[in-house]
Amino acid sequence: EMQLVESGGGLVQPGGSLRLSCAASGFNFSSYWMSWVRQAPGKGPEWLANIKQDGSEKYYVDSVKGRFSISRDNAKSSVYLQMDSLRAEDTALYYCVSGGYFFGTWGQGTLVTVSS
Amino acid sequence: EIVLTQSPDTLSLSPGERATLSCRASQSVRSNYLAWYQQKPGQAPRFLIYAASSRATGIPDRFSGSGSGTDFTLTINRLEPEDFAVYYCQQYSSSPRTFGQGTKVEIK
Repeated sequence: EMQLVESGGGLVQPGGSLRLSCAASGFNFSSYWMSWVRQAPGKGPEWLANIKQDGSEKYYVDSVKGRFSISRDNAKSSVYLQMDSLRAEDTALYYCVSGGYFFGTWGQGTLVTVSS
Repeated sequence: EIVLTQSPDTLSLSPGERATLSCRASQSVRSNYLAWYQQKPGQAPRFLIYAASSRATGIPDRFSGSGSGTDFTLTINRLEPEDFAVYYCQQYSSSPRTFGQGTKVEIK
């Protein structure tokens, strides 16, 4: 069974940084594009970034470009999201998802709260 | 950026009825690269449909997708109690990938 487990969320002050991690299991991680998607309270999902199987291509939504960085370690079956210059509007549940186009498997999410 | 608009915002139906959910794109979705997801309270979204009409593994055949270009539909035949949830469409025709705002299917 494909499984994704996120970690690293928490409370951070505006302007601060967090690094989210996602551990994958149950599938050939190195064969999949991977993405991060977030969902603010009461809102729909918002795709943030994706990364190709070998890490050679990365794409971002404009609202996080230059602030967030996606990376992966295929040896550890893990994908990461480095988040800098965090803003109040970045408060959301952050999901690690399989795929770069549609999203077949979702983790349970990790909550990021940006507040002073 | 392709904007997806779902309608209606809320659909009130009884178990056994048919649900018809609409997703309209601000520009043509190339190759019908449109997906649908179901989300229940406190849970992550669940992948239902890809390429507008292909069901994901394990999805019951009462769920069906159709449409092309800018207009897409998710139909749920004979609603089961577990089908009452929020449904989102998502396009992967271009970057950024975008989602609709959701349609809530609630028990009447």
